[in-house]
Amino acid sequence: AQSVSQHNHHVILSEAASLELGCNYSYGGTVNLFWYVQYPGQHLQLLLKYFSGDPLVKGIKGFEAEFIKSKFSFNLRKPSVQWSDTAEYFCAVNARAAGNKLTFGGGTRVLVKP
Amino acid sequence: EPEVTQTPSHQVTQMGQEVILRCVPISNHLYFYWYRQILGQKVEFLVSFYNNEISEKSEIFDDQFSVERPDGSNFTLKIRSTKLEDSAMYFCASSVGLENTGELFFGEGSRLTVL
Repeated sequence: AQSVSQHNHHVILSEAASLELGCNYSYGGTVNLFWYVQYPGQHLQLLLKYFSGDPLVKGIKGFEAEFIKSKFSFNLRKPSVQWSDTAEYFCAVNARAAGNKLTFGGGTRVLVKP
Repeated sequence: EPEVTQTPSHQVTQMGQEVILRCVPISNHLYFYWYRQILGQKVEFLVSFYNNEISEKSEIFDDQFSVERPDGSNFTLKIRSTKLEDSAMYFCASSVGLENTGELFFGEGSRLTVL
């Protein structure tokens, strides 16, 4: 069965600091990878996705993520965070051969101090 | 921009009561899902639905749960006899189809509190 691990449960940082959130998954086959964000009081929104091709993907709001197949990782990065990036971030994996569903990581709560 | 809508946003119920959570997926989407998130825990897959039948379900989705697409627009989750541990946020989602597998569009969630 596929599983997803997010290493940090809570991250606190100041505006303009750089952010990197770790995500590792366990599945040996072809995967689609996603980062979703949930702002306070709002629904899950797609930040970015990887299906194939360039392993460095760029998403909305200045976020990017790098797929490293050998490490089973899909870490999320942003060079300079803003207060409005305060949210919970979820990594998710869909393993095509494992069914038509997403498996989520436990989420990382990010608090950006002004 | 089209979106997934869910009602109610919050429901409080007594243990043992039946609850129906409603969702209106995006109109041209073919796959529908329910997920839940117990407070402080992971977002967990419950069930996926395609072509008017369940395509996949998790071990959480036992006999007390059922899903239905009663008309061309609504997608419902019924919990027959609620338990305290059913208290959670329930998210409905939809996707276009297999070529976009995994890119789900989520509703804002229905918070269920079982007393």
